[in-house]
Amino acid sequence: SAVISQKPSRDICQRGTSLTIQCQVDSQVTMMFWYRQQPGQSLTLIATANQGSEATYESGFVIDKFPISRPNLTFSTLTVSNMSPEDSSIYLCSATGGRVENTEAFFGQGTRLTVV
Amino acid sequence: QKEVEQDPGPLSVPEGAIVSLNCTYSNSAFQYFMWYRQYSRKGPELLMYTYSSGNKEDGRFTAQVDKSSKYISLFIRDSQPSDSATYLCAMRETGGFKTIFGAGTRLFVKA
Repeated sequence: SAVISQKPSRDICQRGTSLTIQCQVDSQVTMMFWYRQQPGQSLTLIATANQGSEATYESGFVIDKFPISRPNLTFSTLTVSNMSPEDSSIYLCSATGGRVENTEAFFGQGTRLTVV
Repeated sequence: QKEVEQDPGPLSVPEGAIVSLNCTYSNSAFQYFMWYRQYSRKGPELLMYTYSSGNKEDGRFTAQVDKSSKYISLFIRDSQPSDSATYLCAMRETGGFKTIFGAGTRLFVKA
C-alpha cells in the first residue's frame, strides 16, 4: 500500500487568511484527490489533482477558493483561500494507482482546520 | 437518491458479537467495492476490497458483494472494543477513477 504523509496535521487560522496543505506519497501514483470531511459526515470530493495540468473540480468547488498544484507524481498541495469559519473541516489527501492495482484509494491522516 | 446509501448508526454491540454493516447502491456499473475503517481524528484506512460479486475473508472480517441486489456487507466476527470506529463503504466503476463513499456507520463495541 502507498504511504501518504500530509501536513500540517492541524491548524487554527484567522478568517480571511489562506492555508496550504501538503501531501506527499512514498511512490509514484496515477491519481491524487482532495476530500473534505465535515465532523460526523462522509467524504466530499473537492477535486482531482492532475499532474502537469489544472485540477478537475467537483460541483460546488472552484479553483479560486481551492487552488491545487501537482508538480509531479508524488506530491500535491491544496490551498484553502480567504478562509471563513465555514471552511473549518478535515481535509484529506488520497491517491490511487502506482505500485498497487488502480482500485483502492489510500488516504493521508488528514488536516484538521479550524477557522476563527 | 444518493448513489450509495449507508445507515450512519450509531451501532452499539457487546464485545464478542457478530457485526453486520451494509450498503446499497444504485449504479450497476460499480465493480470495485471497498470498506474503510476510520478512527476518530484519523484518515480512512483501507480494510477490505473486492471485485465484482462474491465473498472475501480476512481474519475476523468478511466482505460480501451481491451485485444482483446492489448490496454489499461487511461482517466482523468476535468484535473487540478496538473495532470501535466509523466504517465507510466505497465503490468505483471499472476504468473509473472516482471513489464514491457511503455516509459511514459509527460502531461502538462495549467491553
